[in-house]
Amino acid sequence: AQTVTQSQPEMSVQEAETVTLSCTYDTSESNYYLFWYKQPPSRQMILVIRQEAYKQQNATENRFSVNFQKAAKSFSLKISDSQLGDTAMYFCASLRDDKIIFGKGTRLHILP
Amino acid sequence: DAGVIQSPRHEVTEMGQEVTLRCKPISGHDYLFWYRQTMMRGLELLIYFNNNVPIDDSGMPEDRFSAKMPNASFSTLKIQPSEPRDSAVYFCASSETGGSGNTIYFGEGSWLTVV
Repeated sequence: AQTVTQSQPEMSVQEAETVTLSCTYDTSESNYYLFWYKQPPSRQMILVIRQEAYKQQNATENRFSVNFQKAAKSFSLKISDSQLGDTAMYFCASLRDDKIIFGKGTRLHILP
Repeated sequence: DAGVIQSPRHEVTEMGQEVTLRCKPISGHDYLFWYRQTMMRGLELLIYFNNNVPIDDSGMPEDRFSAKMPNASFSTLKIQPSEPRDSAVYFCASSETGGSGNTIYFGEGSWLTVV
């Protein structure tokens, strides 16, 4: 079975600080994809970043980067220079075959 | 592109009534997904379609739930009869392909409240 675990239900950081959100997953497959989605108060689901499991290089999108540790099945999201607009729920997700499975989410508050 | 379009955005209905949620995927996308989001259970995959054919409905909670995709541009999720525990945000999403890891695009969700 495919599972995704986010161990931090809620986090708060000061604006401009760096924050890391944790995610672990469980899969027996060698080829899969991992994602981080952001859900602001509007409830819209927005793709933040994606990682292909066969690529060793960590994905980066502007202030967002991941630390992908395949052996440890860990996929953390780092947000640098955090901004007030980063306040949202963040979901880690795993895609195998055609199914994308989400973790329970981490609620992130950026404090002014 | 208009993105994934869902309707209604909000619905309040009485227990026992039939509820129909609608979705128009992005043109050209072969995969369509229905998710349900609640505080307790998070985001759950209910069912997904490939080329209008249901592939996996193992997430559908019970027989009161049904989903159809009569053509490539339209899908419905129906709840009959509805119960208060069905109150949730229901998301429709689509992607160009599934397993290759293409981005899955979400609609804005349908907020359902059953009283």
